[in-house]
Amino acid sequence: GAVVSQHPSRVICKSGTSVKIECRSLDFQATTMFWYRQFPKQSLMLMATSNEGSKATYEQGVEKDKFLINHASLTLSTLTVTSAHPEDSSFYICSANSRAVTDTQYFGPGTRLTVL
Amino acid sequence: TQLLEQSPQFLSIQEGENLTVYCNSSSVFSSLQWYRQEPGEGPVLLVTVVTGGEVKKLKRLTFQFGDARKDSSLHITAAQPGDTGLYLCAGDTGNQFYFGTGTSLTVIP
Repeated sequence: GAVVSQHPSRVICKSGTSVKIECRSLDFQATTMFWYRQFPKQSLMLMATSNEGSKATYEQGVEKDKFLINHASLTLSTLTVTSAHPEDSSFYICSANSRAVTDTQYFGPGTRLTVL
Repeated sequence: TQLLEQSPQFLSIQEGENLTVYCNSSSVFSSLQWYRQEPGEGPVLLVTVVTGGEVKKLKRLTFQFGDARKDSSLHITAAQPGDTGLYLCAGDTGNQFYFGTGTSLTVIP
């Protein structure tokens, strides 16, 4: 099956620093990648939709200058949390659509971000 | 407001019991997926349903898509501790993908 990886799996950083999270589709080309944020025992909140070679589309209430998304290729998207603050601490998950099966999203294992 | 509402939000049952999780919306979906997520991991796809009225079975799990393609249910027979996790439905309208509010299931041995 389709595999999506995320790196790092866990990151702890100081307040004010920036953190980059990578999302890769390992065995397929992703038409679109999605970035989600999740709080404990809650559902996923879509932050932005990322298409290769174009600007990401952000959901209402998500600051695009704070959460920078770059979709450099059909297999890689990055999310950079700039000037992180403790309230940015969360579980960030990416997913990717396969061109072969466009109604299925394949999820990465998630990245736990803790901002001190 | 969420496009897809799941109920119940939390469920704690004894091993061996049966349960049903509901996923409801007023919108029509071209397809609907069910995922299970364990703490600290990403959601894992369980099933995709695309036809109104469709029923799919995955061992002890039975998934049904409503006739009007607006709702779905997940029934688990003889729940086991390994079924513990967050269950998420997700619907594709053709334009966008929406997640349900989630159901946190705990199966007590």
